[in-house]
Amino acid sequence: GIQVEQSPPDLILQEGANSTLRCNFSDSVNNLQWFHQNPWGQLINLFYIPSGTKQNGRLSATTVATERYSLLYISSSQTTDSGVYFCAVRNNAGNMLTFGGGTRLMVKP
Amino acid sequence: NAGVTQTPKFQVLKTGQSMTLQCAQDMNHNSMYWYRQDPGMGLRLIYYSASEGTTDKGEVPNGYNVSRLNKREFSLRLESAAPSQTSVYFCASSQRFTGELFFGEGSRLTVL
Repeated sequence: GIQVEQSPPDLILQEGANSTLRCNFSDSVNNLQWFHQNPWGQLINLFYIPSGTKQNGRLSATTVATERYSLLYISSSQTTDSGVYFCAVRNNAGNMLTFGGGTRLMVKP
Repeated sequence: NAGVTQTPKFQVLKTGQSMTLQCAQDMNHNSMYWYRQDPGMGLRLIYYSASEGTTDKGEVPNGYNVSRLNKREFSLRLESAAPSQTSVYFCASSQRFTGELFFGEGSRLTVL
């Protein structure tokens, strides 16, 4: 099956700092999503981005499908950004969304 | 607009007991899914229903059964619960099979 690797696994930021999270995948994809799992366990959709670039407020994402990676940018981080960020992908032959191991982010005040 | 609703939110079972997790979506989505998340890990697919009337196994189907009751509802049943099934279960739906998934809030199950 498709392999999904996220980096870094853990990240500690001071409030106001910027960060870039990376997701590498091993095959062509027809679905790529970024999620934020908050400390209460809720999975929040951030981006549906199998290719291209999108922005939503302080967050933006870019997927370069031909090079098999996606980046999530967080600018001016806030304590509410803390939690785990998951990248999930599905390849053309797949029947499931495969999740990466996540990046655990802690933003300190 | 509630999105994806799961019940119950919390459940404690003894080994060997059975239970059903209920999931309903109000977004008129065609596809529905059940995932489990173990501590410190990503989500793994248990079963999915690409469209009303169909169900298929995912990555970790053993010990579970599902029913796509209608377009809105997709239930997950544990016939004889085992401690290895202690996990957080998430239901999800999407408009089309390759489309964007939306998740419910999760159901935390503990099997003693």
